[in-house]
Amino acid sequence: DSGVTQTPKHLITATGQRVTLRCSPRSGDLSVYWYQQSLDQGLQFLIQYYNGEERAKGNILERFSAQQFPDLHSELNLSSLELGDSALYFCASSVGRNNNEQFFGPGTRLTVL
Amino acid sequence: AQKITQTQPGMFVQEKEAVTLDCTYDTSDPSYGLFWYKQPSSGEMIFLIYQGSYDQQNATEGRYSLNFQKARKSANLVISASQLGDSAMYFCAMREGRVLTGGGNKLTFGTGTQLKVEL
Repeated sequence: DSGVTQTPKHLITATGQRVTLRCSPRSGDLSVYWYQQSLDQGLQFLIQYYNGEERAKGNILERFSAQQFPDLHSELNLSSLELGDSALYFCASSVGRNNNEQFFGPGTRLTVL
Repeated sequence: AQKITQTQPGMFVQEKEAVTLDCTYDTSDPSYGLFWYKQPSSGEMIFLIYQGSYDQQNATEGRYSLNFQKARKSANLVISASQLGDSAMYFCAMREGRVLTGGGNKLTFGTGTQLKVEL
């Protein structure tokens, strides 16, 4: 158990819908990263937050957005969902300073029908 | 160009044997970190081992060791005494640049190697 929690574990929804994925980092970790794992794109970095502020952006679609709240949990919002958004979405956390390891949560498996 | 290349889509190894999973990387930054993660069929990503670009010695963690050849830009994972529970997908990943307080330390992943340990 990495100490990172993600909810829900599974999500099935229809095209055009909007969903919110939630992540709670390990206690004391200030940085949260979101990654998407799909069959065609592999594991890709989406976005990172540190102590509530966006710090790095990767291949994140405009239909996707994220935020990190004062209690350090983070949410990834996916809207106008398409079939191709079906993937495993991981949240990872790290201390955010002088520390290399990123600890991954169990992931949320999103299926868009 | 691919930043992380894993050329072995699948590998088989006999139980108790050692196995090497290949990883080559591409970066012009002198400061970087290399990681290996294990992803069992259940889906979670498990951190295995880390090697920094300035580390003089190869990293080891239990049965895992990282064969770091900087000039060749390779960071192969060696698993000794394979166990059935080692069957999983293995990902090599890189962080480019030094660790920044507060951000920018994203990981770039390779496509993975599916390892199957057989009796």
